[in-house]
Amino acid sequence: SQQGEEDPQALSIQEGENATMNCSYKTSINNLQWYRQNSGRGLVHLILIRSNEREKHSGRLRVTLDTSKKSSSLLITASRAADTASYFCATDTNDYKLSFGAGTTVTVRA
Amino acid sequence: EPEVTQTPSHQVTQMGQEVILRCVPISNHLYFYWYRQILGQKVEFLVSFYNNEISEKSEIFDDQFSVERPDGSNFTLKIRSTKLEDSAMYFCASSGPRAEETQYFGPGTRLLVL
Repeated sequence: SQQGEEDPQALSIQEGENATMNCSYKTSINNLQWYRQNSGRGLVHLILIRSNEREKHSGRLRVTLDTSKKSSSLLITASRAADTASYFCATDTNDYKLSFGAGTTVTVRA
Repeated sequence: EPEVTQTPSHQVTQMGQEVILRCVPISNHLYFYWYRQILGQKVEFLVSFYNNEISEKSEIFDDQFSVERPDGSNFTLKIRSTKLEDSAMYFCASSGPRAEETQYFGPGTRLLVL
């Protein structure tokens, strides 16, 4: 199925460190979107990267996309306690829906 | 900044009862979606809606589910006869004016079926 799968499942880092998580998917995509979810809350959109883009930045976030490897990465630089959340990649194959992975749970220790 | 809103935030219902979950998408968006997330599991697509009709639906979206855009602002998900396994967080999302734009999600409605 066309689903993103994140790696690692969980990540624990010290405040100030960088956090990197990866997403792999199976078939061609139109775009890939990263979302954040705080425990039991809604999904907050972080970045959308299109299939013809290789890298995108937004504040402390950097997303890369390698369509030849069918993978994407999300880097959070200089992490803060407020970055503690679950992070999901979601793939859009231009069929009016997003397919989500299981997410990476990031814990930032003060 | 415009946002998707959902009501109610929580709903508790008895098995077999009908529930209607409500959403107000972002005003200039044309594509609307419902997703659900069972506790501890992935976010799953239910249905997408464009131009007053369903564009795509998953196998979860059976005859017990229906969607409607009753007026120019609301988008609703109805579950006719709730089952225990319908307990989940239900998210509404919207995007547009093109289908490949960012999908913005609402805060969700947590549905508990007893």
